[in-house]
Amino acid sequence: QLQLQESGPGLVKPSETLSLTCTVSGGSIGIYYWAWIRQAPGKGLEWIANINFRGYANYNPSLKSRLSMSIDPSENQFSLKLTSVTAADTAVYFCARHGTMVAEIDSWGQGTLVTVSS
Amino acid sequence: DIQMTQSPSSLSASVGDRVTITCRASQTISTYFNWYQQIPGKGPKLLIYGASSLQSGVPSRFSGSASGTEFTLTINSLQPEDSATYYCQQSYSPPYGFGQGTKLEIK
Repeated sequence: QLQLQESGPGLVKPSETLSLTCTVSGGSIGIYYWAWIRQAPGKGLEWIANINFRGYANYNPSLKSRLSMSIDPSENQFSLKLTSVTAADTAVYFCARHGTMVAEIDSWGQGTLVTVSS
Repeated sequence: DIQMTQSPSSLSASVGDRVTITCRASQTISTYFNWYQQIPGKGPKLLIYGASSLQSGVPSRFSGSASGTEFTLTINSLQPEDSATYYCQQSYSPPYGFGQGTKLEIK
């Protein structure tokens, strides 16, 4: 059974860089697109970006200037970096897999809370 | 960006009721459309993909339909475990935005 696990610091200082990694187990990272979605406390879901096994990425224009995603198929991992963070970036960050039917998100990690605070 | 407008933002219903949640896309998205359920403290779960296809393992009381740019999630015979927030999403063109969510309370 496919499992996704987010890892990274739970606390980041304002103006610094948020870095998260998602480790995929129980399946191969190949052929799929892999995504990051976040949810600010008490708010809705925000799609951040996705990437495929070749490293081709799509970014949310609202965050694009601060975002980068990378992928390491040999380690079955993909990562997110968000620079110059502010309190508005405080959220639960989910890593996820896009399915192959209509790019639906068919698998989700449990999510990790990242708080931006000094 | 494609905007997704979901309604209502909240609703309350009783066990056994039928409820409908609607989502409208700001432009045509064919059937690149999905519904998710999120229980508090957990990650979302895919219910419906392609506007009307039931994800494996999801009870058949959940169904989805589409008419143009309007999409509907119907839950028949409401159960206590259906208490959750429901989100729609377009997967036609990145960024794959979500609706604002509908919080369903079971009376």
